[in-house]
Amino acid sequence: GQQVMQIPQYQHVQEGEDFTTYCNSSTTLSNIQWYKQRPGGHPVFLIQLVKSGEVKKQKRLTFQFGEAKKNSSLHITATQTTDVGTYFCAGIPRNYGQNFVFGPGTRLSVLP
Amino acid sequence: EAGVAQSPRYKIIEKRQSVAFWCNPISGHATLYWYQQILGQGPKLLIQFQNNGVVDDSQLPKDRFSAERLKGVDSTLKIQPAKLEDSAVYLCASSPNFNTEAFFGQGTRLTVV
Repeated sequence: GQQVMQIPQYQHVQEGEDFTTYCNSSTTLSNIQWYKQRPGGHPVFLIQLVKSGEVKKQKRLTFQFGEAKKNSSLHITATQTTDVGTYFCAGIPRNYGQNFVFGPGTRLSVLP
Repeated sequence: EAGVAQSPRYKIIEKRQSVAFWCNPISGHATLYWYQQILGQGPKLLIQFQNNGVVDDSQLPKDRFSAERLKGVDSTLKIQPAKLEDSAVYLCASSPNFNTEAFFGQGTRLTVV
């Protein structure tokens, strides 16, 4: 079954609005990574979170790792058209080997 | 710094034919991954190499897929014979060490007809 889940599957926002995507697992994740894939492009690494409750910021992007290390979120403040793409989380579920498992992604559309 | 190089970019084959993809990782990266990404889904790991040794190939359909990384540098992924459901983008990625930031190539889009 799906080890790493993401919601929502799609999100359409008006430029300037905020956006959040959520990543969830039924088991503890040792690490979590976030990637962005532009339409027709390849995944590009954004960040890696390791510690419980960790929060990291990159300009308008805020990444959070849950206290129980079973969920994570990516929040974008004041979206821009350059934010368009699919955002993937990838985690290493406990008792599932040593490799990152990608979620299905959240596709973000930003209307100008 | 040069990125991960993959070729070809596109390939169309008939079912039951064979196909091979090539990947040259970033220089010095010990870990190399092959992923399959079906349209609308996240990348799925097929095989992971650490230098020239296989770390994980648990999701590689070994009856038809094979991969090698000779000399611990570039790698090839082969499918023989191809099925319609193999239509996907095949992504190669590399990272400096095990389970650190992965750098992806542009991918090879395979269409099996």
